[in-house]
Amino acid sequence: SQQGEEDPQALSIQEGENATMNCSYKTSINNLQWYRQNSGRGLVHLILIRSNEREKHSGRLRVTLDTSKKSSSLLITASRAADTASYFCATDGTSYGKLTFGQGTILTVHP
Amino acid sequence: DTAVSQTPKYLVTQMGNDKSIKCEQNLGHDTMYWYKQDSKKFLKIMFSYNNKELIINETVPNRFSPKSPDKAHLNLHINSLELGDSAVYFCASSPSIQTGPNTEAFFGQGTRLTVV
Repeated sequence: SQQGEEDPQALSIQEGENATMNCSYKTSINNLQWYRQNSGRGLVHLILIRSNEREKHSGRLRVTLDTSKKSSSLLITASRAADTASYFCATDGTSYGKLTFGQGTILTVHP
Repeated sequence: DTAVSQTPKYLVTQMGNDKSIKCEQNLGHDTMYWYKQDSKKFLKIMFSYNNKELIINETVPNRFSPKSPDKAHLNLHINSLELGDSAVYFCASSPSIQTGPNTEAFFGQGTRLTVV
């Protein structure tokens, strides 16, 4: 069964604005990861946050994790047209790297 | 050098045919995966191998058979292709599961399979 639910399904913003995407999951996890997928391409890992972490930063990315609410958010600050892509959260609750993906958020950044 | 490479990138074939997708990684990882992405972009794991041994086999029809000749390669063979098999198939790899679960996965560019 699908683990993650992402919200919103689609997000359209102007360059320079911030984009926030949310992810909810159902079972306990070791970590939660965010991936980006450009149209017609593979997935690129963005950031991993462990279950005992609450917030993590990487460049313009900020990820939060609330294990009590089983939710995470990805914030992209000062967005650029090149950030246009689908963004997926994925949870790993096993000992062998099995990722369970959400359905993704399609982000469109208008120049 | 491409870290995780899949061939072919596109595959169009008729129902009933048998086809294979190849995957190779040059990252020295022990663990490799096959994921399927459907038309709604939903990604689901199919198989995982760790050092040539099958460790994950999700509910996938027997027509799908993974083969790992060595830890750098994980191929996917599909028998008697059906219309519903049309999807994008992604290969991925990650460091050995013995190093712990908190590692990222590296994905290939995908193989778009169209069954007509």
